[in-house]
Amino acid sequence: SQTIHQWPATLVQPVGSPLSLECTVEGTSNPNLYWYRQAAGRGLQLLFYSVGIGQISSEVPQNLSASRPQDRQFILSSKKLLLSDSGFYLCAWSSSGVEQYFGPGTRLTVT
Amino acid sequence: GESVGLHLPTLSVQEGDNSIINCAYSNSASDYFIWYKQESGKGPQFIIDIRSNMDKRQGQRVTVLLNKTVKHLSLQIAATQPGDSAVYFCAEDYGQNFVFGPGTRLSVLP
Repeated sequence: SQTIHQWPATLVQPVGSPLSLECTVEGTSNPNLYWYRQAAGRGLQLLFYSVGIGQISSEVPQNLSASRPQDRQFILSSKKLLLSDSGFYLCAWSSSGVEQYFGPGTRLTVT
Repeated sequence: GESVGLHLPTLSVQEGDNSIINCAYSNSASDYFIWYKQESGKGPQFIIDIRSNMDKRQGQRVTVLLNKTVKHLSLQIAATQPGDSAVYFCAEDYGQNFVFGPGTRLSVLP
């Protein structure tokens, strides 16, 4: 069966510090991968999606970036965090044309 | 631009009653819709989906209705239980990705 992992589960970082969130998927190959951000009490905002290794599409211009160094690994990064980067970050995978499966999420607090 | 939205941001229902959560979409070309349930501090979980060639689909205690004429989607939960308390999102297929509505918080009263 397929599983999706995210880490860390929670993170507190000061403004201006770098960020690296990791997402890995098991049990499937060549998945579409997604990064979402969810502000407190709000809906899901798509940040990035990837249809293959090295292929990243950005939906929202910001100080975040994403990379896909391996087929089932998706990384969200920032060189300098802003207060507005606080939120709940969700990774998801899908096979083309069907539902997305979400990871457990990372709660990021920028202080 | 095209978007998916919800009529009600919060909904409170008595335990045992039926719940109805609504969603409006604007992209008439969308052909696939999903309802997700998100419990506090967790990622969204798939509940039920429906394709545009269907009007209704039933799962265990849940039913999704699709009205393409008025671009309306609803999720019905029968005999609502305390464990149904969560935020519910509708999502609309946009090819490679989905557009999510802002969510409706369902609170089940004892």
